[in-house]
Amino acid sequence: VHLQESGPGLVKPSETLSLTCTVSGGSISSFYWSWIRQPPGKGLEWIGYIYYSGTTNYNPSLKSRVTMSVDTSKNQFSLKLSSVTAADTAVYYCAGYYGSGNSGPWGQGTLVTVSS
Amino acid sequence: QSVLTQPPSASGTPGQRVTISCYGSSSDIGGNPVNWYQQLPGTAPKLLIYSNNQRPSGVPDRFSGSKSGTSASLAISGLQSEDEADYYCATWDDSLNGPVFGGGTKLTVL
Repeated sequence: VHLQESGPGLVKPSETLSLTCTVSGGSISSFYWSWIRQPPGKGLEWIGYIYYSGTTNYNPSLKSRVTMSVDTSKNQFSLKLSSVTAADTAVYYCAGYYGSGNSGPWGQGTLVTVSS
Repeated sequence: QSVLTQPPSASGTPGQRVTISCYGSSSDIGGNPVNWYQQLPGTAPKLLIYSNNQRPSGVPDRFSGSKSGTSASLAISGLQSEDEADYYCATWDDSLNGPVFGGGTKLTVL
């Protein structure tokens, strides 16, 4: 299974960050699809997950600003993060998790910079 | 501040064995499988260990994992220069209903 993130690399403060992850080589129903981010020089932070059925769960620290969606016809899932600030500058990864809690495939990541 | 606790740094000389620890709680490591990742500069984390002690295909058997109670550890034997990287532990958190990560350990090969 291969994952590829896509979306703008530069977002203005107060605007909405939008990213899409395209899944190839496997079924989108096989994993809990997560977004994870890593600010420059820092550790990993889980943003949330979406299942192919549309069920979501978000990190409480970001919940008020996060929306995830899935398009099974295109084998894609998406992230929207609203009201961004410089603190949201990070490499954003999409990743799949098994129901056991073990990690599945990860994308290569995409750097999103929040700046005017 | 990360949910799981790792030492910020570790080091060893070529050929040595090094161990990296990871401490959690009953709601995360205590009840769920532990994963370990290796992250080389500028690249995505690579899964080294899943289900506490299982290696994905292609990962050398120099890498091994273990878990006891609410802690886990990653051991690297026969240390090589290309092992110099950041290492992260991770597991599922039952309270969060999502994955949590350690803060990462920077391994230096002297």
